[in-house]
Amino acid sequence: GESVGLHLPTLSVQEGDNSIINCAYSNSASDYFIWYKQESGKGPQFIIDIRSNMDKRQGQRVTVLLNKTVKHLSLQIAATQPGDSAVYFCAETAGWGTLTFGKGTMLLVSP
Amino acid sequence: DVKVTQSSRYLVKRTGEKVFLECVQDMDHENMFWYRQDPGLGLRLIYFSYDVKMKEKGDIPEGYSVSREKKERFSLILESASTNQTSMYLCASSRRDAAGEKLFFGSGTQLSVL
Repeated sequence: GESVGLHLPTLSVQEGDNSIINCAYSNSASDYFIWYKQESGKGPQFIIDIRSNMDKRQGQRVTVLLNKTVKHLSLQIAATQPGDSAVYFCAETAGWGTLTFGKGTMLLVSP
Repeated sequence: DVKVTQSSRYLVKRTGEKVFLECVQDMDHENMFWYRQDPGLGLRLIYFSYDVKMKEKGDIPEGYSVSREKKERFSLILESASTNQTSMYLCASSRRDAAGEKLFFGSGTQLSVL
């Protein structure tokens, strides 16, 4: 079946660096994408979303990029901080369907 | 802010027991969801509900049932708990808006079945 996946299961960065977390999706009909952050012992927390009619969206220190041609989604975190250490999930949906989640990438930020 | 509350943070049950996991949301959301989360498998959808007394099977409904008698409450029921149902269970709610479907999650219930 079609699914959402991640290229890197673990990403280690130094504090202050920029982080890029990648996600590949296979459903060409997907039209809405979300990034979630999950800290240890907590539920996933919404970070940022993007619709398929956009290729870039910026939030506070975060940017999501969408490349529909190659079905690729990325989350960029500027000036990464220790508090950014968490598991990051991408999720996608098509039309009125339910969200499908990727397996997650662990981001580790060293001081 | 949306608040999704799961009644228990940790639960330990025995094989064969009937288990109830409760979830309440306070934002009048129409949609509610139950997921389980396992290492290496990510989040998998068990059941969801778009309205009171309505339920839809997700990707892995076997061994589970749900109840939605009130809009704010969505219960997950394990009819006869088994060890392979040991997992983190996450409840979520959402409303439909023009931008899609943002899910808001509770903190999760870590269930251990012995």
